[in-house]
Amino acid sequence: DADVTQTPRNRITKTGKRIMLECSQTKGHDRMYWYRQDPGLGLRLIYYSFDVKDINKGEISDGYSVSRQAQAKFSLSLESAIPNQTALYFCATSDPNSYEQYFGPGTRLTVT
Amino acid sequence: GNSVTQMEGPVTLSEEAFLTINCTYTATGYPSLFWYVQYPGEGLQLLLKATKADDKGSNKGFEATYRKETTSFHLEKGSVQVSDSAVYFCALSFGGSEKLVFGKGMKLTVNP
Repeated sequence: DADVTQTPRNRITKTGKRIMLECSQTKGHDRMYWYRQDPGLGLRLIYYSFDVKDINKGEISDGYSVSRQAQAKFSLSLESAIPNQTALYFCATSDPNSYEQYFGPGTRLTVT
Repeated sequence: GNSVTQMEGPVTLSEEAFLTINCTYTATGYPSLFWYVQYPGEGLQLLLKATKADDKGSNKGFEATYRKETTSFHLEKGSVQVSDSAVYFCALSFGGSEKLVFGKGMKLTVNP
């Protein structure tokens, strides 16, 4: 089984709709991240969490919110989706000993 | 702020060709440096890393050396294979935070 799973894998939604992307990990690490990938822009950090009670904004948090339900679960919400939020979204968790981040397979979100 | 600049491509090579992907960084202090690879339809995975100056990371025939004097971490492989076709990302982080700052990524296609 994959260490980091994301649901859904693909989603098409309309402008103004609320949508939640979910992430679960079995690595047992405290630190989790949400990134957005756009062509030609690489990955940009949206939010990160160092433990269940610690949530931090990243580089591009406007228009997004997160919830850390448990050590293993970290959800990303778009309260009112807009077309420029169309992107590939990745969740990750990191190993504090090796600094390595483990990524999920991504969620492709299209906002029409 | 901290940033990573890398060759953007796309690049197409023939099998067994030599590969170099340039990566330079701007950072306050001495970050850890990474190369991540994204195969088609998958999330990112760590290819190699170096945590201090003059360290050489290596994996799957790829190598990169942390050069403090030139603030660089160029990726090389002597003989690429079709299976190396992917997008390659250079990234940095500072120990303790583990937040990654990515370059824009470079798509490599290797033809038989």
